[in-house]
Amino acid sequence: GENVEQHPSTLSVQEGDSAVIKCTYSDSASNYFPWYKQELGKRPQLIIDIRSNVGEKKDQRIAVTLNKTAKHFSLHITETQPEDSAVYFCAASINDMRFGAGTRLTVKP
Amino acid sequence: DVKVTQSSRYLVKRTGEKVFLECVQDMDHENMFWYRQDPGLGLRLIYFSYDVKMKEKGDIPEGYSVSREKKERFSLILESASTNQTSMYLCASRDPQDFDNTQYFGPGTRLTVL
Repeated sequence: GENVEQHPSTLSVQEGDSAVIKCTYSDSASNYFPWYKQELGKRPQLIIDIRSNVGEKKDQRIAVTLNKTAKHFSLHITETQPEDSAVYFCAASINDMRFGAGTRLTVKP
Repeated sequence: DVKVTQSSRYLVKRTGEKVFLECVQDMDHENMFWYRQDPGLGLRLIYFSYDVKMKEKGDIPEGYSVSREKKERFSLILESASTNQTSMYLCASRDPQDFDNTQYFGPGTRLTVL
Protein backbone atom coordinates (compact mmCIF):
# COMPACT_ATOMS: atom_id res chain seq x y z
CA GLY A 1 0.00 0.00 0.00
CA GLU A 2 0.86 3.67 -0.09
CA ASN A 3 3.48 4.99 2.34
CA VAL A 4 3.97 8.71 2.90
CA GLU A 5 6.99 10.18 4.63
CA GLN A 6 7.10 13.79 5.77
CA HIS A 7 10.01 16.00 6.85
CA PRO A 8 10.85 17.79 9.01
CA SER A 9 8.81 16.78 12.04
CA THR A 10 9.28 20.23 13.57
CA LEU A 11 10.11 23.54 11.94
CA SER A 12 10.67 26.90 13.56
CA VAL A 13 10.97 30.06 11.49
CA GLN A 14 11.01 33.78 12.10
CA GLU A 15 7.96 35.77 11.06
CA GLY A 16 8.35 36.84 7.44
CA ASP A 17 10.63 33.96 6.50
CA SER A 18 9.64 31.10 4.21
CA ALA A 19 8.84 27.57 5.35
CA VAL A 20 9.15 24.41 3.28
CA ILE A 21 7.76 20.99 4.17
CA LYS A 22 8.59 17.96 2.06
CA CYS A 23 6.83 14.64 1.50
CA THR A 24 7.60 11.51 -0.44
CA TYR A 25 5.20 8.78 -1.47
CA SER A 26 5.69 5.21 -2.59
CA ASP A 27 2.80 4.34 -4.91
CA SER A 28 3.22 5.82 -8.38
CA ALA A 29 -0.53 5.35 -8.95
CA SER A 30 -1.37 8.05 -6.37
CA ASN A 31 -2.96 10.96 -8.17
CA TYR A 32 -4.13 13.41 -5.54
CA PHE A 33 -1.98 15.19 -2.95
CA PRO A 34 -3.68 17.40 -0.38
CA TRP A 35 -2.18 19.39 2.45
CA TYR A 36 -4.05 19.83 5.72
CA LYS A 37 -3.48 22.36 8.49
CA GLN A 38 -4.46 21.43 12.02
CA GLU A 39 -4.49 24.13 14.66
CA LEU A 40 -4.33 23.15 18.29
CA GLY A 41 -7.51 21.41 19.38
CA LYS A 42 -9.15 21.71 15.98
CA ARG A 43 -9.89 19.40 13.09
CA PRO A 44 -7.59 19.15 10.05
CA GLN A 45 -8.58 21.61 7.35
CA LEU A 46 -7.61 21.38 3.69
CA ILE A 47 -5.42 24.31 2.69
CA ILE A 48 -4.23 23.35 -0.79
CA ASP A 49 -4.10 20.31 -3.01
CA ILE A 50 -2.60 19.22 -6.30
CA ARG A 51 -3.37 16.53 -8.82
CA SER A 52 -0.82 14.39 -10.59
CA ASN A 53 -1.33 16.15 -13.93
CA VAL A 54 -0.12 19.46 -12.49
CA GLY A 55 3.40 20.34 -11.40
CA GLU A 56 2.73 23.40 -9.29
CA LYS A 57 -0.20 25.21 -7.72
CA LYS A 58 -0.26 28.50 -5.83
CA ASP A 59 -2.81 30.17 -3.59
CA GLN A 60 -1.65 33.51 -2.19
CA ARG A 61 1.19 32.76 0.24
CA ILE A 62 1.08 28.98 -0.10
CA ALA A 63 2.21 26.83 -2.98
CA VAL A 64 2.63 23.15 -3.62
CA THR A 65 5.00 21.50 -6.08
CA LEU A 66 4.88 17.93 -7.31
CA ASN A 67 7.64 15.87 -8.89
CA LYS A 68 6.00 12.66 -10.13
CA THR A 69 9.25 11.14 -11.34
CA ALA A 70 10.86 11.45 -7.95
CA LYS A 71 7.56 10.85 -6.12
CA HIS A 72 7.85 13.84 -3.88
CA PHE A 73 5.84 16.96 -3.25
CA SER A 74 6.40 20.03 -1.14
CA LEU A 75 4.49 22.78 0.62
CA HIS A 76 5.92 26.28 0.50
CA ILE A 77 4.69 29.07 2.75
CA THR A 78 6.09 32.53 2.09
CA GLU A 79 6.00 35.58 4.34
CA THR A 80 5.05 33.43 7.32
CA GLN A 81 2.84 34.87 10.05
CA PRO A 82 2.27 33.72 13.65
CA GLU A 83 -1.18 32.42 12.66
CA ASP A 84 0.54 29.96 10.31
CA SER A 85 1.72 28.11 13.43
CA ALA A 86 0.05 24.68 13.34
CA VAL A 87 0.65 21.07 12.45
CA TYR A 88 0.67 20.42 8.72
CA PHE A 89 -0.07 17.04 7.17
CA CYS A 90 0.59 15.92 3.63
CA ALA A 91 -1.31 13.02 2.10
CA ALA A 92 -1.34 10.90 -1.03
CA SER A 93 -4.41 9.28 -2.44
CA ILE A 94 -5.72 7.01 -5.15
CA ASN A 95 -9.03 6.19 -3.49
CA ASP A 96 -8.25 5.99 0.19
CA MET A 97 -5.79 8.46 1.63
CA ARG A 98 -2.52 7.97 3.48
CA PHE A 99 -1.06 10.75 5.60
CA GLY A 100 2.41 11.80 6.57
CA ALA A 101 3.35 11.99 10.24
CA GLY A 102 2.94 15.76 10.34
CA THR A 103 5.15 18.84 10.73
CA ARG A 104 4.75 21.17 13.67
CA LEU A 105 5.44 24.65 12.33
CA THR A 106 6.16 27.45 14.77
CA VAL A 107 6.39 31.00 13.49
CA LYS A 108 8.13 33.27 15.98
CA PRO A 109 7.07 36.92 16.01
CA ASP B 1 -20.98 23.64 3.80
CA VAL B 2 -20.02 20.10 4.77
CA LYS B 3 -20.67 19.20 8.35
CA VAL B 4 -19.12 16.16 9.98
CA THR B 5 -19.95 15.64 13.63
CA GLN B 6 -18.72 13.16 16.20
CA SER B 7 -20.74 12.08 19.20
CA SER B 8 -18.22 13.07 21.88
CA ARG B 9 -15.23 15.40 22.10
CA TYR B 10 -13.83 13.64 25.16
CA LEU B 11 -14.45 10.12 26.40
CA VAL B 12 -12.99 8.16 29.32
CA LYS B 13 -13.48 4.40 29.46
CA ARG B 14 -12.08 1.48 31.41
CA THR B 15 -10.08 -1.42 30.05
CA GLY B 16 -12.37 -4.13 28.71
CA GLU B 17 -15.34 -1.86 28.09
CA LYS B 18 -17.12 -1.83 24.75
CA VAL B 19 -16.83 1.63 23.20
CA PHE B 20 -18.86 3.18 20.41
CA LEU B 21 -17.67 6.26 18.54
CA GLU B 22 -20.26 7.78 16.27
CA CYS B 23 -19.76 9.92 13.21
CA VAL B 24 -22.48 11.65 11.21
CA GLN B 25 -22.18 13.67 8.01
CA ASP B 26 -24.94 15.72 6.44
CA MET B 27 -23.75 15.97 2.84
CA ASP B 28 -24.87 12.60 1.52
CA HIS B 29 -21.26 11.52 1.05
CA GLU B 30 -20.79 7.90 0.09
CA ASN B 31 -17.29 7.49 1.50
CA MET B 32 -16.46 7.66 5.19
CA PHE B 33 -13.25 7.01 7.09
CA TRP B 34 -11.96 6.50 10.63
CA TYR B 35 -8.44 7.53 11.61
CA ARG B 36 -6.53 7.64 14.84
CA GLN B 37 -4.04 10.42 15.43
CA ASP B 38 -1.03 9.91 17.67
CA PRO B 39 1.99 12.21 18.18
CA GLY B 40 4.73 11.50 15.67
CA LEU B 41 2.58 9.02 13.74
CA GLY B 42 0.19 11.33 11.95
CA LEU B 43 -3.22 10.04 10.94
CA ARG B 44 -3.48 6.30 10.49
CA LEU B 45 -6.40 4.74 8.67
CA ILE B 46 -8.36 2.24 10.75
CA TYR B 47 -11.36 1.43 8.57
CA PHE B 48 -13.23 2.98 5.70
CA SER B 49 -16.51 2.52 3.93
CA TYR B 50 -17.33 3.29 0.32
CA ASP B 51 -21.07 2.86 0.75
CA VAL B 52 -23.78 1.67 3.10
CA LYS B 53 -23.16 -1.82 4.44
CA MET B 54 -19.66 -1.80 2.99
CA LYS B 55 -16.48 -1.71 5.01
CA GLU B 56 -12.80 -2.13 4.29
CA LYS B 57 -9.85 -2.54 6.62
CA GLY B 58 -7.30 0.21 6.70
CA ASP B 59 -3.76 -0.04 7.99
CA ILE B 60 -4.48 -0.70 11.68
CA PRO B 61 -7.85 -2.47 12.01
CA GLU B 62 -6.86 -4.78 14.87
CA GLY B 63 -9.01 -4.28 17.93
CA TYR B 64 -11.63 -2.27 16.02
CA SER B 65 -14.76 -2.92 14.02
CA VAL B 66 -17.17 -0.61 12.20
CA SER B 67 -20.81 -0.36 11.27
CA ARG B 68 -22.42 1.54 8.40
CA GLU B 69 -26.16 0.87 8.51
CA LYS B 70 -27.10 4.27 7.12
CA LYS B 71 -25.29 6.44 4.62
CA GLU B 72 -24.85 9.36 6.97
CA ARG B 73 -23.55 7.42 9.95
CA PHE B 74 -20.31 5.51 10.41
CA SER B 75 -19.60 3.96 13.79
CA LEU B 76 -16.27 2.80 15.16
CA ILE B 77 -16.46 0.06 17.77
CA LEU B 78 -13.84 -1.00 20.26
CA GLU B 79 -15.06 -4.44 21.37
CA SER B 80 -12.82 -4.54 24.44
CA ALA B 81 -10.97 -1.28 25.01
CA SER B 82 -7.30 -1.42 25.90
CA THR B 83 -4.94 1.27 27.14
CA ASN B 84 -3.06 1.33 23.82
CA GLN B 85 -6.25 2.53 22.18
CA THR B 86 -5.99 5.81 24.05
CA SER B 87 -5.83 8.29 21.20
CA MET B 88 -7.54 11.01 19.21
CA TYR B 89 -10.05 9.52 16.76
CA LEU B 90 -10.99 11.45 13.64
CA CYS B 91 -13.80 10.68 11.27
CA ALA B 92 -13.88 11.98 7.70
CA SER B 93 -16.21 11.86 4.72
CA ARG B 94 -15.82 12.37 1.02
CA ASP B 95 -17.96 12.59 -2.10
CA PRO B 96 -16.27 10.32 -4.67
CA GLN B 97 -18.01 12.24 -7.47
CA ASP B 98 -16.14 15.42 -6.56
CA PHE B 99 -13.33 16.19 -8.95
CA ASP B 100 -11.36 17.21 -5.89
CA ASN B 101 -10.81 14.20 -3.72
CA THR B 102 -11.22 16.25 -0.56
CA GLN B 103 -11.89 14.62 2.76
CA TYR B 104 -13.80 16.61 5.37
CA PHE B 105 -12.98 15.90 8.99
CA GLY B 106 -15.02 15.83 12.13
CA PRO B 107 -13.80 17.60 15.30
CA GLY B 108 -12.30 14.44 16.77
CA THR B 109 -12.93 12.37 19.88
CA ARG B 110 -10.16 12.15 22.44
CA LEU B 111 -10.52 8.73 24.01
CA THR B 112 -8.73 7.80 27.21
CA VAL B 113 -8.75 4.16 28.30
CA LEU B 114 -7.82 3.65 31.95
